[in-house]
Amino acid sequence: SQQGEEDPQALSIQEGENATMNCSYKTSINNLQWYRQNSGRGLVHLILIRSNEREKHSGRLRVTLDTSKKSSSLLITASRAADTASYFCATDVEAAGNKLTFGGGTRVLVKP
Amino acid sequence: GAVVSQHPSWVICKSGTSVKIECRSLDFQATTMFWYRQFPKQSLMLMATSNEGSKATYEQGVEKDKFLINHASLTLSTLTVTSAHPEDSSFYICSASRLAGELYYEQYFGPGTRLTVT
Repeated sequence: SQQGEEDPQALSIQEGENATMNCSYKTSINNLQWYRQNSGRGLVHLILIRSNEREKHSGRLRVTLDTSKKSSSLLITASRAADTASYFCATDVEAAGNKLTFGGGTRVLVKP
Repeated sequence: GAVVSQHPSWVICKSGTSVKIECRSLDFQATTMFWYRQFPKQSLMLMATSNEGSKATYEQGVEKDKFLINHASLTLSTLTVTSAHPEDSSFYICSASRLAGELYYEQYFGPGTRLTVT
């Protein structure tokens, strides 16, 4: 079963706008990771945020983590057409031996 | 660094035949590798966890006799889909795990293998 649920399932924005997607999970985690997947391709690791961290930045990406609400958000600022992809959160659950459980994903379309 | 390859990248096979997919960590040793399956427009579902030199641990609902996993070395794991049927058509992705910091591991994903069973 999926640990994470993502919202929205799909997002369509204009180039230059910001894209925000959310991920909720159910059990305690060691860390939460965000990945990007272009259609028919493998996953690209974007960012990892540990359970004791609240916010992390990497370039145009900003990730927040609220362990009290068991949720995380990924913000992509100043989006580009090349950001068009599916984005997945994945949780590394405590006592699950380093297994990742993926959310359902958010399909982002950035229109030029 | 931390590159994971898969071979083949795509394969078409006839129903009833077996297909082997290889997953290699090219520049690091991975004690643990994972196999995922992804159906179109869906998320990744973990199939099994593979540790070098030991039997794979399968997730609930995954038939171990159908999806044979061998992890013969620290850089190679193979997934064999036996007696494949059209419903096994999917995108299979592997990942290899490496210690990336204090007390956490990072998974590096292969590019995936598209299996089509006719």
